[in-house]
Amino acid sequence: EAGVVQSPRYKIIEKKQPVAFWCNPISGHNTLYWYLQNLGQGPELLIRYENEEAVDDSQLPKDRFSAERLKGVDSTLKIQPAELGDSAVYLCASSYLAGGGYNEQFFGPGTRLTVL
Amino acid sequence: GENVEQHPSTLSVQEGDSAVIKCTYSDSASNYFPWYKQELGKGPQLIIDIRSNVGEKKDQRIAVTLNKTAKHFSLHITETQPEDSAVYFCAAVTGGFKTIFGAGTRLFVKA
Repeated sequence: EAGVVQSPRYKIIEKKQPVAFWCNPISGHNTLYWYLQNLGQGPELLIRYENEEAVDDSQLPKDRFSAERLKGVDSTLKIQPAELGDSAVYLCASSYLAGGGYNEQFFGPGTRLTVL
Repeated sequence: GENVEQHPSTLSVQEGDSAVIKCTYSDSASNYFPWYKQELGKGPQLIIDIRSNVGEKKDQRIAVTLNKTAKHFSLHITETQPEDSAVYFCAAVTGGFKTIFGAGTRLFVKA
């Protein structure tokens, strides 16, 4: 079974330019997460989707970041405009949440963004 | 807000020795505690987890303990091997399925 797929793996852009990341979760997983991972730190949640609904976007900087998960499968995370401080690894994860279940998450390889 | 502290940040051991990583969490509503291993250029991979109604869990060379009263949980790796070298993250998950990660421990296993 294929794991979580992310693209691109690497992206280098100039500051103030837009950038988008794409994620395809594990088939059948109803929950999708976008995390930000700075160098030497643990992942920090940006947004969590249950099916098509964004149920936790409290940590998403909404002035420049946006995300969507149309049809409850693939997801796209966008930054516009990018700033130097956005350089980081952007991780996508997915899980299957059922009533009373716990939260085993499967991570993709991440997209390493460098803003110059 | 919720917080997970992880120690040490770096750990170097000789092959065959044991390694212990410790975490504390702040949110008493946390009920699930996964541990992840992250190798260079890859995403975190779940290696073991424990629920709040269990005090200890073991899987071959890896064990995790949980002290809910003290809000502490620990990862124990015995008979370490060079391929255990990686960054390890603890995490605490609340009843609302929000996952808070520790800052990570870089483990070096010297052959």
